[in-house]
Amino acid sequence: AQSVSQHNHHVILSEAASLELGCNYSYGGTVNLFWYVQYPGQHLQLLLKYFSGDPLVKGIKGFEAEFIKSKFSFNLRKPSVQWSDTAEYFCAVIHTGRRALTFGSGTRLQVQP
Amino acid sequence: KAGVTQTPRYLIKTRGQQVTLSCSPISGHRSVSWYQQTPGQGLQFLFEYFSETQRNKGNFPGRFSGRQFSNSRSEMNVSTLELGDSALYLCASSPGLADQNIQYFGAGTRLSVL
Repeated sequence: AQSVSQHNHHVILSEAASLELGCNYSYGGTVNLFWYVQYPGQHLQLLLKYFSGDPLVKGIKGFEAEFIKSKFSFNLRKPSVQWSDTAEYFCAVIHTGRRALTFGSGTRLQVQP
Repeated sequence: KAGVTQTPRYLIKTRGQQVTLSCSPISGHRSVSWYQQTPGQGLQFLFEYFSETQRNKGNFPGRFSGRQFSNSRSEMNVSTLELGDSALYLCASSPGLADQNIQYFGAGTRLSVL
């Protein structure tokens, strides 16, 4: 069974600091990769996705992620975080042909003003 | 375009009871998936429906069931509730016709079992 690991459970940053959240998955076949964000009191929203092509994908609000197939990784990055980025971030994987997302355990990001 | 709508937002039940949750997908979406979110287990896939048929199922006991109607609305039912069923239940919809589809989530139904 496929699994997704997010190594950082709780990250605290100051505004303007750079962010990188790690995500590794276990499945060796063709996968689609996602990062979702859950702001306090809000529903899960899609930040960005990777299906194929350029392994560096850009999402909303200045986020980007890089797919490294050899490392089974899909790390999320942002050059300069803002207080409004305080939220929980989930990495998710779906392998082509299935419909079920497998989620990581989430990373709680706290940005201090 | 309206998003995914889940009702009710909150539910309180007691052990042994059953509960039905409802999900209205985004207009035009034919696939509806259900997930359970708990602090201990995170987000786990329950099942997915497409055109009124269950297409995928996660590793949950038979007490968890669902269905989908011809208008793509979906319901999830949990019978003989246990304390451990307390969770946020999320519904997600997607077009469902291609492999490269994105799931859009509703706000969830928070179920508390006492």
